[in-house]
Amino acid sequence: DTGVSQDPRHKITKRGQNVTFRCDPISEHNRLYWYRQTLGQGPEFLTYFQNEAQLEKSRLLSDRFSAERPKGSFSTLEIQRTEQGDSAMYLCASSLWTSGNNEQFFGPGTRLTVL
Amino acid sequence: ILNVEQSPQSLHVQEGDSTNFTCSFPSSNFYALHWYRWETAKSPEALFVMTLNGDEKKKGRISATLNTKEGYSYLYIKGSQPEDSATYLCAFRPSNTGKLIFGQGTTLQVKP
Repeated sequence: DTGVSQDPRHKITKRGQNVTFRCDPISEHNRLYWYRQTLGQGPEFLTYFQNEAQLEKSRLLSDRFSAERPKGSFSTLEIQRTEQGDSAMYLCASSLWTSGNNEQFFGPGTRLTVL
Repeated sequence: ILNVEQSPQSLHVQEGDSTNFTCSFPSSNFYALHWYRWETAKSPEALFVMTLNGDEKKKGRISATLNTKEGYSYLYIKGSQPEDSATYLCAFRPSNTGKLIFGQGTTLQVKP
């Protein structure tokens, strides 16, 4: 399958622990996005990369969150000292940036539960 | 603050009914409007990307229209089927960024 993949699909952790999620985009896509979705809401933008450069980061993203895309391929999202409010679905998407429509293709998400 | 609003929040229809949802978005700084369908335990699936005022797009029984001047888009489903049951999300893309700003979604349930 050549779609966007995310790992793990589910993560349960205790408050205060660190967690890391991985996203593998569609192979030729140069942009990679992270979103977070909580119950009853639409996905909320967190950050995005073009190749290895982080182009934009949401003001909602606290210092406990960090994302990397070191080689311009896969990306990791780390949450340090997790809080119960971090419980959400974390979605990754990728796109091939050109002058066109920049359609974003989503992965299945990682569901985080912080106890 | 850029707000994207969708209505209704949820909808229950009988198989064979036609239905429509609304997405309202800022009319300034517009680049594109995206529609996605999201079924439980699956990835959000792209339905349409619309960029031009007056755009109409169609995919099978699903179609969408776009009015960028007044800031709204409609999604229509003709002859709903149980497999159409999903959450339908619209997302606004401003012209100065690659990010999408999503509405809260419309959850559709189609009863056989």
